[in-house]
Amino acid sequence: DMKVTQMPRYLIKRMGENVLLECGQDMSHETMYWYRQDPGLGLQLIYISYDVDSNSEGDIPKGYRVSRKKREHFSLILDSAKTNQTSVYFCASSFTNSGNTLYFGEGSRLIVV
Amino acid sequence: LAKTTQPPSMEAYEGQEVNVSCSHTNIATSEYIYWYRQVPHQGPQFIIQGYKDYVVNEVASLFISADRKLSTLSLPWVSLRDAAVYYCIVTDRVGYKLTFGTGTSLLVDP
Repeated sequence: DMKVTQMPRYLIKRMGENVLLECGQDMSHETMYWYRQDPGLGLQLIYISYDVDSNSEGDIPKGYRVSRKKREHFSLILDSAKTNQTSVYFCASSFTNSGNTLYFGEGSRLIVV
Repeated sequence: LAKTTQPPSMEAYEGQEVNVSCSHTNIATSEYIYWYRQVPHQGPQFIIQGYKDYVVNEVASLFISADRKLSTLSLPWVSLRDAAVYYCIVTDRVGYKLTFGTGTSLLVDP
């Protein structure tokens, strides 16, 4: 079954707390992504991972870091969350040679108060 | 990367054919055209991709103008389930950095 799974789906954190968003895929895709989506701004790319321990910054990496220790798992970490990081976060994956056919998860809604 | 321009919103009745346009006047010869859609509370879903002429799959068809500066996504017989935001993206085939704009919000009336 081709699926990208995100956990947790909903999260409320206080400013300054650490946040861990997790993403898993069962398709053996090499490439994985983290995006955030805010009203009126479309999706913005935070980080790309081309494979285990091969990560690259996207367009808005500041305030975020990622970890990929297994091909099927990609984590987004917010050290000391800020209120402007309140957003919906989407994980996606793709085969390296599939062009730009991405499979997205259902999103993780983070509220930082 | 080529910038795309789409109408912000469209409205149609169930059963109608809907054509969503996308202008990409600065598209490079190496770039392809991708369409995704996103229904509320879900991530985007790939619909179709093309380079030139006409592409069709089980979900939609894509017409690309001869100069490749305009593409049109055609959805036959729309239903309420087709109500979504439709994104047109232009990028290199293996560029990995898809840039999602604000898309076209399609409203479908019963």
